Amino acid sequence: QLQLQESGPGLVKPSETLSLTCTVSGDSISSSSYHWGWIRQPPGKGLEWIGSIYNTGSTYYNPSLKSRVTISVDTSKNQFSLKLSSVTAADTAVYYCARHSRWLQDGNVVSDFDIWGQGTMVTVSS
Amino acid sequence: QSVLTQPPSVSAAPGQKVTISCSGPSSNIGNNYVSWYQQLPGAAPKLLIYLNNRRPSGIPDRFSASKSGTSATLGITGLQTGDEADYYCGTWDTSLNAVVFGGGTKLTVL
Repeated sequence: QLQLQESGPGLVKPSETLSLTCTVSGDSISSSSYHWGWIRQPPGKGLEWIGSIYNTGSTYYNPSLKSRVTISVDTSKNQFSLKLSSVTAADTAVYYCARHSRWLQDGNVVSDFDIWGQGTMVTVSS
Repeated sequence: QSVLTQPPSVSAAPGQKVTISCSGPSSNIGNNYVSWYQQLPGAAPKLLIYLNNRRPSGIPDRFSASKSGTSATLGITGLQTGDEADYYCGTWDTSLNAVVFGGGTKLTVL
């Protein structure tokens, strides 16, 4: 059964870089036809997509965060990672990793997140 | 401000039916497939509907969805107290080249 687990520091100082890793078990990132994504949720607010990656290393990001985000994949460890630079209090949120289905069907994009990690709370504070 | 518009809250009595709407421009809902997510209190979101109206294995048929033009609707029948959750719609926005979500709708089962 596929499982995703986020890990990383729960507290990051303002202006520093937030780094999280998602470990995938039950499926191989390198042989999977799925993409892998990061989504965050500030306390009491809605979902915001951060970005996604394919096993080839091809990435695509939320335009509003693109200048600060880097997502990478380590197929040898079956992990993918998120780095968000120059963080502020506005980046305080629960961060989720998820398996991302994305393909074209009848000329329209299919995009959904079918398996999610439990989430990890990251607080930006000095 | 979310790209997709959902009502902040809906409510209904146990056993009744409720619908949750999701609207957006042609660059997202109008031309791409919609998914819906259920987020129970304190839990991660869970995929409820994909490809506009398909249910993943294990999702009861009390949950249904449809799409017409630039709007999508989630329907829940036979409401149970365990259905109290936040519900989000999501899709791809071709203009933004990004995944977009609605602001979420809090369902209260009175």
